[in-house]
This record gives sequence, C-alpha cells and structure tokens, in this order.
Amino acid sequence: DAGVIQSPRHEVTEMGQEVTLRCKPISGHNSLFWYRQTMMRGLELLIYFNNNVPIDDSGMPEDRFSAKMPNASFSTLKIQPSEPRDSAVYFCASSPPRPPNEQYFGPGTRLTVT
Amino acid sequence: AQSVTQLGSHVSVSEGALVLLRCNYSSSVPPYLFWYVQYPNQGLQLLLKYTSAATLVKGINGFEAEFKKSETSFHLTKPSAHMSDAAEYFCAVSDPPGGFKTIFGAGTRLFVKA
Repeated sequence: DAGVIQSPRHEVTEMGQEVTLRCKPISGHNSLFWYRQTMMRGLELLIYFNNNVPIDDSGMPEDRFSAKMPNASFSTLKIQPSEPRDSAVYFCASSPPRPPNEQYFGPGTRLTVT
Repeated sequence: AQSVTQLGSHVSVSEGALVLLRCNYSSSVPPYLFWYVQYPNQGLQLLLKYTSAATLVKGINGFEAEFKKSETSFHLTKPSAHMSDAAEYFCAVSDPPGGFKTIFGAGTRLFVKA
C-alpha cells in the first residue's frame, strides 16, 4: 500500500513568494496532521483535520499560514508571503479511525526561503 | 493535560551494547503510548505502540518497550545495538478514546559507535 505522499520533496523560493505544500493521506484514514520540524524548535503540530474538518489550528504560526482539506484524499498547506524563518521540513501525517489512531508520516517537504 | 519527557537528548552506545532510551509521561487517563524512529532525511516511522493489551510491547527491528504505570514510564530497549539503529527516537502519548492529538517528546538522538 502507498504511504502518505507529499509534494514537492524540496522547495526553494524567495522571500515574499507563495508556497503550496501538498499531501495525499493513506486511503481510509480520517485524520490528517501538518507538522513543522526545525533544529531549534523540534517537531511542532501546526494543524489537524478530522473527517476533512479543521479541529485544532492553534499551532499555525500566523495568518500567513493556511491549510485546507477539500476531500479525504488531499490537503494543502499554503504560506503567503513566505519568509526566511519559515525554512523547515514540513511533514504531513495521517491516522486511521480506529484506536489508538497511530500516525503515519510522509517523507516531508524541505522548504528553503531565501 | 498530557505531556511526555524524554531523558537525554543524546545517547551514545557501542555496537552490540544495550540500548535504553527513557520516556516518562503524564496523562489523566490510561494513555496510548508510542515510540517513533526518524532516520536522516526521512519522516517518522512507528516502532511500537501500547494500548493496554500487554505491558511489554514488541516492535520492529528488535526494539521493545515496557509500560510501568507506577513509574509513569515507557522506556525503549534493544538488547544489542546495531550501526543501523543510529537515528532519532521520539516517544509520544495520546489520550483515549479519540487519540486525535498526539503529544511528541523532544526526541533522543542515538549514536552507535563501532
């Protein structure tokens, strides 16, 4: 079975540009999570969805960040405008509806904002 | 509120030696507990999970963890370290029944010396 798919794997952009990260969760999973990982701050939960509905977005850094999940098989994380401090690895994870709802992570998108 | 503490940001062992990575948790109800491993430039991968079925949980790659309620601990062990075990390890906790939001520890980087 295919795991969580993320694209692109690497993104280099200039400050002020819009960045869109994409995620396809594992089929049959009903929860989706976006994380950011940096050396300084470690792994941070940005937002999570359950049945395509955003449940907790308290980790989203500021209004420049937005996330959508239009259907059960696709989610996006958008940064507009991007800033150098947004440089990080962004992970998407999904979990099945049955307990203990363990999370399955994608390979990540390494974002560099210059 | 849930929380998880990993003792030691870095652990170094010799190849063939015992691996012991420590994790203590805080939860208001009997929790779900997890260990994840992250190899360089990869996403987190589930090693094992505790769901109250048995206190000693066996995972992949020869790892196991023991749930000790009296000590609120869930330490990860492996009898004999291999060079390929060098990675970062994350302990995580979530509360039943939904378990939607999982709290991750700060991670412990394992170094294996030849």
